[in-house]
Amino acid sequence: NAGVTQTPKFRVLKTGQSMTLLCAQDMNHEYMYWYRQDPGMGLRLIHYSVGEGTTAKGEVPDGYNVSRLKKQNFLLGLESAAPSQTSVYFCASSYFRDSDEQYFGPGTRLTVT
Amino acid sequence: GNSVTQMEGPVTLSEEAFLTINCTYTATGYPSLFWYVQYPGEGLQLLLKATKADDKGSNKGFEATYRKETTSFHLEKGSVQVSDSAVYFCALSLGNAGNMLTFGGGTRLMVKP
Repeated sequence: NAGVTQTPKFRVLKTGQSMTLLCAQDMNHEYMYWYRQDPGMGLRLIHYSVGEGTTAKGEVPDGYNVSRLKKQNFLLGLESAAPSQTSVYFCASSYFRDSDEQYFGPGTRLTVT
Repeated sequence: GNSVTQMEGPVTLSEEAFLTINCTYTATGYPSLFWYVQYPGEGLQLLLKATKADDKGSNKGFEATYRKETTSFHLEKGSVQVSDSAVYFCALSLGNAGNMLTFGGGTRLMVKP
């Protein structure tokens, strides 16, 4: 099992450019999540999905869109990148049972100049 | 709303010292509580959890007890090692749809030989 994988690992964008981050999991998890991690602020939830074809907003959704067309994949899109979106992005997945742990990917470091 | 507060770091200890990282929470309901650990350059991984009051989670020599009366979940280890150097995150989940986690800001631990 590869667990949760993220593509790419690093990316530098110019302001206004767009990109898509890909998350894939091979554990047949129902739930998937996108977080951003900024110094001193812990992880903040951007969007999440409770199943194939469903998405919902988290704490900081503005400027991001997501899609879950296949159960194993969860895509995070930035349509027009801004310097405030410079961050480390983590994808996670979990089963649907209460208190189940979330399994995290290795992260994508994004810099917007 | 729900929130998690952790002691600010960094915490610097010598090898074999006793570790305590404080965590308190505010939640509407009865949360499950977690400690996640992030080693340098990696994603988060679950360290331990507790799902109800007075439960003690333990793993790899780390322990934390769910204290409802003080709304706390402090992380302890009797003798730290250099390999414990990492960032530690306290988190809660209310087990609602999506099993979403609310994270504290993280505490960096540095252990010197």
